[in-house]
Amino acid sequence: SQQGEEDPQALSIQEGENATMNCSYKTSINNLQWYRQNSGRGLVHLILIRSNEREKHSGRLRVTLDTSKKSSSLLITASRAADTASYFCATEESNYQLIWGAGTKLIIKP
Amino acid sequence: KAGVTQTPRYLIKTRGQQVTLSCSPISGHRSVSWYQQTPGQGLQFLFEYFSETQRNKGNFPGRFSGRQFSNSRSEMNVSTLELGDSALYLCASSLADSAGELFFGEGSRLTVL
Repeated sequence: SQQGEEDPQALSIQEGENATMNCSYKTSINNLQWYRQNSGRGLVHLILIRSNEREKHSGRLRVTLDTSKKSSSLLITASRAADTASYFCATEESNYQLIWGAGTKLIIKP
Repeated sequence: KAGVTQTPRYLIKTRGQQVTLSCSPISGHRSVSWYQQTPGQGLQFLFEYFSETQRNKGNFPGRFSGRQFSNSRSEMNVSTLELGDSALYLCASSLADSAGELFFGEGSRLTVL
């Protein structure tokens, strides 16, 4: 399969709570990226973490990478209604091709 | 700096027809990738062009083709359209030689009747 695996498939939380979504992959990678997609729109790059990095922060986002478990997590703290979107992880393989996860649909309830 | 521009944004075709979608990358970006997105299959990689050469290709039939021009603009063509080709087609450009960070357009939504 071309896709990695993300879980959960869908997540619904109250505004202000933290949201965590996970991504697993199968092969060694150069980097792992997270993207956000609002309904029916293009994807927006959120953060890139290289294979030799273990944690990265950007504003309310925190990404971890565990290459031994071939997994990554994206944490969004203090969620807002505007965070409602689908979130995708993508892993860059050695041939520079990106392999995409199926996405996590996040709903923030006011 | 202008973003990635895709045209047309919406189009309706009938089975058997062909369609051409256009993508203008961010100025200076030499890599352009195309993706098909459907509710059932998620984001599927079609192909990637770098400096007018197809560098990577996904698992799509030969009805799907693309090209890149010397100004980095890219087109993709789908011939003999099938109902299952209805999807959002996304174009992304990047600056780096490697995949790096992708900048996506808003997509072209194709409906095949």
